[in-house]
Amino acid sequence: GENVEQHPSTLSVQEGDSAVIKCTYSDSASNYFPWYKQELGKRPQLIIDIRSNVGEKKDQRIAVTLNKTAKHFSLHITETQPEDSAVYFCALIRNAGGTSYGKLTFGQGTILTVHP
Amino acid sequence: EAQVTQNPRYLITVTGKKLTVTCSQNMNHEYMSWYRQDPGLGLRQIYYSMNVEVTDKGDVPEGYKVSRKEKRNFPLILESPSPNQTSLYFCASSISLYLTYEQYFGPGTRLTVT
Repeated sequence: GENVEQHPSTLSVQEGDSAVIKCTYSDSASNYFPWYKQELGKRPQLIIDIRSNVGEKKDQRIAVTLNKTAKHFSLHITETQPEDSAVYFCALIRNAGGTSYGKLTFGQGTILTVHP
Repeated sequence: EAQVTQNPRYLITVTGKKLTVTCSQNMNHEYMSWYRQDPGLGLRQIYYSMNVEVTDKGDVPEGYKVSRKEKRNFPLILESPSPNQTSLYFCASSISLYLTYEQYFGPGTRLTVT
């Protein structure tokens, strides 16, 4: 299947700092890129997503950027807070809207720790 | 309350003993999917279903079966479980992949195969 490489695997920041997580992919047919947050012992929840016809999307302290040429997309969290501590997963759907578009591939996850 | 439910939440079983993990959603969602979560590997899709009687393989379908006879239910069947299927399993659903791709996850089922 499609490969998604997510980095870093762990990220530790001080409260108020910014955090950036990056995912790279290989298939240019990928055209939908969500990010999920999973708190300890809980289920993943969608926090933001972006489609391939958009370069950047922002929702309060969270933003996602997409570089289709370089085949990478990133999650940016500004003014981090302790409650942002969680595991973050990037994901993508290849050829969303076309064939096999139900297939969702996730990155390996990033453990974010925000220290007070 | 709109939700995705899974049963059982925890299961310890032995190699070769057939088991079924149920998944049900009450949101009239068309799309449903199963994932397994293993440390360092993230979430990997096992099977998905675009609608009733329509299922397709994800990235790791070996050793699993699914069926979608009703819109609300999408059970995961392990005909002959093996220790390498020990994992945390999530079911998820979405309104329709034509409309939105946001998936709502169930609470998870932790399976141990000895």
